[in-house]
Amino acid sequence: GIQVEQSPPDLILQEGANSTLRCNFSDSVNNLQWFHQNPWGQLINLFYIPSGTKQNGRLSATTVATERYSLLYISSSQTTDSGVYFCAVEPYLNSGGSNYKLTFGKGTLLTVNP
Amino acid sequence: KAGVTQTPRYLIKTRGQQVTLSCSPISGHRSVSWYQQTPGQGLQFLFEYFSETQRNKGNFPGRFSGRQFSNSRSEMNVSTLELGDSALYLCASSFKRLTEAFFGQGTRLTVV
Repeated sequence: GIQVEQSPPDLILQEGANSTLRCNFSDSVNNLQWFHQNPWGQLINLFYIPSGTKQNGRLSATTVATERYSLLYISSSQTTDSGVYFCAVEPYLNSGGSNYKLTFGKGTLLTVNP
Repeated sequence: KAGVTQTPRYLIKTRGQQVTLSCSPISGHRSVSWYQQTPGQGLQFLFEYFSETQRNKGNFPGRFSGRQFSNSRSEMNVSTLELGDSALYLCASSFKRLTEAFFGQGTRLTVV
């Protein structure tokens, strides 16, 4: 099945710093999403971005589908940005369809210190 | 618009018992998927339901089952619980297949 690798696994920042999280995937995808898992376990949607670039406040994301990677940018980080960030993909099958399931990377644990 | 609602939020069960978890999707969403999250295995796909039919199943034993009702609400059941079933169980809903998935707050199951 498709492989999803996220880097770095851990990241420690001072408040106000910028960061870039990376997601590499091994095959073509129909769907790519970025999530932030809050301390209570809920996965919060950040971006639905199978291709292209999107921005939402201090966060932005870019997916280059042809090169099989996606980047999540966090600018002017705040302590509330701490948590685990997951990339999840839904692979495109050679048969032309999808298996309709998200495969997650292992996540990046971000710690923002005051 | 209400989000995905999972009940209960926390559950403690004894080995050998069975458990049923519930998921109410966002209104109008027809696809519901379930995932298990553990520290060792990360987030793993359990199954997906669309129009009351299980369309896809992950690599889990037959003790894990589920169903979807006509109002798109879904339940998953785990029978003969094992210690290794302790996990956060997350439900996701989508308007239709191949669209953005939204997750509930999860049910944290502890098996003792």
